[in-house]
Amino acid sequence: GIQVEQSPPDLILQEGANSTLRCNFSDSVNNLQWFHQNPWGQLINLFYIPSGTKQNGRLSATTVATERYSLLYISSSQTTDSGVYFCERNAGNMLTFGGGTRLMVKP
Amino acid sequence: DTEVTQTPKHLVMGMTNKKSLKCEQHMGHRAMYWYKQKAKKPPELMFVYSYEKLSINESVPSRFSPECPNSSLLNLHLHALQPEDSALYLCASSLIGGPGNEQFFGPGTRLTVL
Repeated sequence: GIQVEQSPPDLILQEGANSTLRCNFSDSVNNLQWFHQNPWGQLINLFYIPSGTKQNGRLSATTVATERYSLLYISSSQTTDSGVYFCERNAGNMLTFGGGTRLMVKP
Repeated sequence: DTEVTQTPKHLVMGMTNKKSLKCEQHMGHRAMYWYKQKAKKPPELMFVYSYEKLSINESVPSRFSPECPNSSLLNLHLHALQPEDSALYLCASSLIGGPGNEQFFGPGTRLTVL
């Protein structure tokens, strides 16, 4: 089946640090989304990014569809960035989440 | 209105009970989804409705029965569940089904089966 792999699985940062989260997918992609799941379970949309680069404040994302990966950059991390970050690949009727990156930002 | 709502937030039920989860959106979206998420795991797709018709059923046991009465509402009827069905159930919607459509998720219903 289609594989979506995220790395690293766990990440601990000191407040103010920068980080890069990666999402690799084994097949072509029509749509790639990044989400942040807060401690209460709510999935918050970060980026809808099938290709190219987007920025939103301290966050930015890049998808290189031809090389089958996407990156999420978090700069100047804050404690409120803690939680689980998921990428989700959408190709036709195949909707697949990666395993997630669990981020803890320490004050 | 740019949100997906789900009720109830929490649900505890016995294995012989019948209950329903409800999901609603008023964004004019025509595709709606049910996902199941176990602790420390990613969400897994259960069902997709497109234009009020079931388009994807990911081999979900029949004790889960989805229903889409209209374009704004999605229900998940639960009957004779097992303790291993305890999970966070997430609803999502998108403008239409298929590729290239941004999904928006509700806050989820946390289900415990005793």
